[in-house]
Amino acid sequence: DAKTTQPPSMDCAEGRAANLPCNHSTISGNEYVYWYRQIHSQGPQYIIHGLKNNETNEMASLIITEDRKSSTLILPHATLRDTAVYYCIVTVGADGLTFGKGTHLIIQP
Amino acid sequence: DTGVSQDPRHKITKRGQNVTFRCDPISEHNRLYWYRQTLGQGPEFLTYFQNEAQLEKSRLLSDRFSAERPKGSFSTLEIQRTEQGDSAMYLCASAVLESFLSTDTQYFGPGTRLTVL
Repeated sequence: DAKTTQPPSMDCAEGRAANLPCNHSTISGNEYVYWYRQIHSQGPQYIIHGLKNNETNEMASLIITEDRKSSTLILPHATLRDTAVYYCIVTVGADGLTFGKGTHLIIQP
Repeated sequence: DTGVSQDPRHKITKRGQNVTFRCDPISEHNRLYWYRQTLGQGPEFLTYFQNEAQLEKSRLLSDRFSAERPKGSFSTLEIQRTEQGDSAMYLCASAVLESFLSTDTQYFGPGTRLTVL
């Protein structure tokens, strides 16, 4: 079973920041938080990952709480092409990933 | 394009037939993973290879499924005597394990969509 909890769906207006929450209250000290997204009928796309510190790349920012029990993925300026299912995964790395059902993010024009 | 590639992208077969899918990982990635995804669900892990060695198999991988990575490069996933329940997207991912003390990021291919009639 997935070790994360995400809302099943969210809406966001185009051009606004999309903030996707994820709870992982049973995360272990050596587990990373990974985010992937999957646009309809395509393979999952890696977005970002982190261990303890907040991370930022060209796609998104990842904010991890100090106790590491939850995190937020931030897409700073959402576009229609960001409509997808977003998966939050905790993993030590190297093993198979356990996906939940993710959050279906819908960007509204 | 230097990403993960999968072939074929779509496969339609009749129940009872055998099918084989191919995955070409990103060059020099030593880990290769197979997943299955049914409609409305997230991907489910099936198996993975470290170079040519198959290190883990999920209990989802029934006896009718077999995966190989003979030279540590491309991999094949074969399903024998297909059943309608095998209809799904089969995804391949690759990663480079730099150290057992660090994590590795998996990069996914576009998938092979199997329809069993």
